[in-house]
Amino acid sequence: ETGVTQTPRHLVMGMTNKKSLKCEQHLGHNAMYWYKQSAKKPLELMFVYNFKEQTENNSVPSRFSPECPNSSHLFLHLHTLQPEDSALYLCASSQERGSGDEQFFGPGTRLTVL
Amino acid sequence: AQKITQTQPGMFVQEKEAVTLDCTYDTSDQSYGLFWYKQPSSGEMIFLIYQGSYDEQNATEGRYSLNFQKARKSANLVISASQLGDSAMYFCAMREGAGTGRRALTFGSGTRLQVQP
Repeated sequence: ETGVTQTPRHLVMGMTNKKSLKCEQHLGHNAMYWYKQSAKKPLELMFVYNFKEQTENNSVPSRFSPECPNSSHLFLHLHTLQPEDSALYLCASSQERGSGDEQFFGPGTRLTVL
Repeated sequence: AQKITQTQPGMFVQEKEAVTLDCTYDTSDQSYGLFWYKQPSSGEMIFLIYQGSYDEQNATEGRYSLNFQKARKSANLVISASQLGDSAMYFCAMREGAGTGRRALTFGSGTRLQVQP
């Protein structure tokens, strides 16, 4: 595997379900991110992890729970979601060098909450 | 106020022609970075080009160039010799607070480019 991978690619869940999204980066980067992309809205940052420590939380509801066990893996645990949480969830990683360190994105998980 | 503004929801361009995608930004930081990403229908965001606020020359990467006008706070993407595979959503993004440790990007709403044969 190369780059940033995300599983599953598609997920349909009920509001009472508990599920997890997984992201893995094979680039040796030290920062990882979760973004949410809803229809007709700009990409929104959710969480940032730097060297496994959460450094940013963009006022995300507690029904989204991130976990970063190491610099290569990032999870997003989901529970009691709402239909408006249906979106494309994108994971990204970057290597801290300065302001020019581009983020590399995974293919995303398209989530549908029924 | 929006940090990143992309005023063109959709653009059409003929194959082999050049096209400019507009982006204006708003920040009070002196040090910041501007990025363009391409998102095909598959969903993956693909990094295209980067411009630092202190870079004196416009960034170029192959057929992509960034027309950076700092005083006007604009960072337009120019794609030369458009190809059918360029059809996608294009997002402008900004990273503020360089040196503060803040890493998040703020994205614009995107421009959907369609290249016509």
